[in-house]
Amino acid sequence: AQSVTQPDIHITVSEGASLELRCNYSYGATPYLFWYVQSPGQGLQLLLKYFSGDTLVQGIKGFEAEFKRSQSSFNLRKPSVHWSDAAEYFCAVAGGYQKVTFGIGTKLQVIP
Amino acid sequence: DADVTQTPRNRITKTGKRIMLECSQTKGHDRMYWYRQDPGLGLRLIYYSFDVKDINKGEISDGYSVSRQAQAKFSLSLESAIPNQTALYFCATSENRDRVYNEQFFGPGTRLTVL
Repeated sequence: AQSVTQPDIHITVSEGASLELRCNYSYGATPYLFWYVQSPGQGLQLLLKYFSGDTLVQGIKGFEAEFKRSQSSFNLRKPSVHWSDAAEYFCAVAGGYQKVTFGIGTKLQVIP
Repeated sequence: DADVTQTPRNRITKTGKRIMLECSQTKGHDRMYWYRQDPGLGLRLIYYSFDVKDINKGEISDGYSVSRQAQAKFSLSLESAIPNQTALYFCATSENRDRVYNEQFFGPGTRLTVL
């Protein structure tokens, strides 16, 4: 069965600092991987996705993620965090037919 | 106008009541989904529908039912609400293309409280 682990439930970073959110997945074949962001009171918005090809994926709002098959990871990064990035971030994996598994989410707090 | 809308946005109800959550989309997508979100548990799939005649149970369908009235409408019902169904409910849609999976587009959510 596929699964997603987001080991950090809550992360606090200073505005302007770099950010890395961790995601590890479990799936027997090449997965489809996603990062979504949920702002307070909002639905989920897709930040980026990986299906195949280049393992470094660029997304919206200045985010990027790198797929590392050897580590079963798909970590999300941003070089300089803005206060508006404060939100909850979900990693997701799609492996079986239309079966998507979401991680439990990482809440990002940005301090001045 | 939002592509995926959910009504109501907030609802408080009592144990044993029947309640329906509605989802409408203008994206023209064939596939629609219902999830619930609980703190510390992420999103869990309740039901999904690939088209009007194709409805499937997700991982936590007990206590829920759905109706796909049209391509654009997918409703979730709680026949007899119980307190542990208190959660944030999301509807989502995706295209029906050759890929095994296509990205999902989410509605704004319905916050349901069962007293």
